[in-house]
Amino acid sequence: DTEVTQTPKHLVMGMTNKKSLKCEQHMGHRAMYWYKQKAKKPPELMFVYSYEKLSINESVPSRFSPECPNSSLLNLHLHALQPEDSALYLCASSLRFPSGSTDTQYFGPGTRLTVL
Amino acid sequence: TQLLEQSPQFLSIQEGENLTVYCNSSSVFSSLQWYRQEPGEGPVLLVTVVTGGEVKKLKRLTFQFGDARKDSSLHITAAQPGDTGLYLCAPKETSGSRLTFGEGTQLTVNP
Repeated sequence: DTEVTQTPKHLVMGMTNKKSLKCEQHMGHRAMYWYKQKAKKPPELMFVYSYEKLSINESVPSRFSPECPNSSLLNLHLHALQPEDSALYLCASSLRFPSGSTDTQYFGPGTRLTVL
Repeated sequence: TQLLEQSPQFLSIQEGENLTVYCNSSSVFSSLQWYRQEPGEGPVLLVTVVTGGEVKKLKRLTFQFGDARKDSSLHITAAQPGDTGLYLCAPKETSGSRLTFGEGTQLTVNP
């Protein structure tokens, strides 16, 4: 099973709402990632978790709050977002981080977020 | 910080045509991966190249890693509508560094 699942698939929220994105993998991977992707652009790294600890925060605004409750789950809590935060949010996992030269990141299908 | 260029950014061709996508940098890469992303999906790994001069084939796709490990190309022969998608190169400067994507090539293959 090389699947990374993400819920919900689509999310529309107002600027005052609080919502959460969820990601799950059962490949035994110990590294999990959040990326943000705007239309026709490459994914941009937001956060990296390694062994359930935050390893990288790419200067992401505090209105995005990641959480890794266990090795299989990764959440992204959203609060007071802006319309420019509308994007596809991708979760990924890999065996470990830092990863080797040939390690593969497996991506989920993403959550399409629209902030009104 | 590496300067990474992927070209072309957009490509629209007819079914049956050939095409090449390029990924170039001023830095030497430890390895380079190519991903394809279809609409509504996350990127999927196509190939990893590690050795300078390496050539890998995946059906109608041919991947080449430059001798100096600063560039790579993806060639598609007889493109089909199913090849439509966003193609992303993702080099690593050193083993253990994070994945960094090129700007991507949006390919559309028209029937």
